[in-house]
Amino acid sequence: DAGVIQSPRHEVTEMGQEVTLRCKPISGHDYLFWYRQTMMRGLELLIYFNNNVPIDDSGMPEDRFSAKMPNASFSTLKIQPSEPRDSAVYFCASSSGGAASSYNEQFFGPGTRLTVL
Amino acid sequence: AQSVTQPDIHITVSEGASLELRCNYSYGATPYLFWYVQSPGQGLQLLLKYFSGDTLVQGIKGFEAEFKRSQSSFNLRKPSVHWSDAAEYFCAVGPSGTYKYIFGTGTRLKVLA
Repeated sequence: DAGVIQSPRHEVTEMGQEVTLRCKPISGHDYLFWYRQTMMRGLELLIYFNNNVPIDDSGMPEDRFSAKMPNASFSTLKIQPSEPRDSAVYFCASSSGGAASSYNEQFFGPGTRLTVL
Repeated sequence: AQSVTQPDIHITVSEGASLELRCNYSYGATPYLFWYVQSPGQGLQLLLKYFSGDTLVQGIKGFEAEFKRSQSSFNLRKPSVHWSDAAEYFCAVGPSGTYKYIFGTGTRLKVLA
C-alpha cells in the first residue's frame, strides 16, 4: 500500500491567493483527518470525516478554511484567501473505524508545507 | 479540559544510552494513549498505544511505555538509543467517545555519536 498521499509537498503562495491541498487516504479507511502543525500551536486537528461526511469541523480556524471529501479516495483542504499566518505543515491522516476499534491507528501522510508570503 | 503535557522540549542522549520521554495527561477517565514519532520531513508514525490491560506496552523499534494511573503518566522508554532514533516524539490522548486526538507539544530527541 502506498500509504496516505498528499500533494503538493511544498506550496509557496502570496497572501490573498487561493490554496488547495489534496489528500488520498489509504484504501478501505473510512476516517480522514486534517491537521495543522505549527511551532506555536503544535499539532491541531482541523476537521475529520467519516464515510465522506464531515463529523467535526470545530478546529477549522475560520471561514477562509474549507474541506471537502467528494469520495472515499480524495479530500481537499482549501484556504481562500490565504494569509501569512496560515503558513504551517498540513497533515492528512486516515484510519479504519468500527465499533470495537474507535482508536485504531491514524496513518499520517508526509504533509504539505505551506508558505504564504 | 483534556490536555497532554510533554515537559521536555529537547533531550540529548548519547548513542547506546537509555532514554525516557515524559508524558502527562489530564483526563477524567482512563484515556486511550499513544506515542508517535516524526522524522524530519516525514509524517507521524505510531510507536505504540495503550487502551487497557497490561500497563506496560511494547511498541515498534524497541520502544516501550508504561501507563501509571496514579501519576497520570505514560512515559516512553528505550534501553539503548540508536542514532536513527533522532526525531520528534509526540504523546497523544484520545478521549473516549470521539476520534479527536489531543497531541502534546512534542519532544525533540538528539542522539550523540
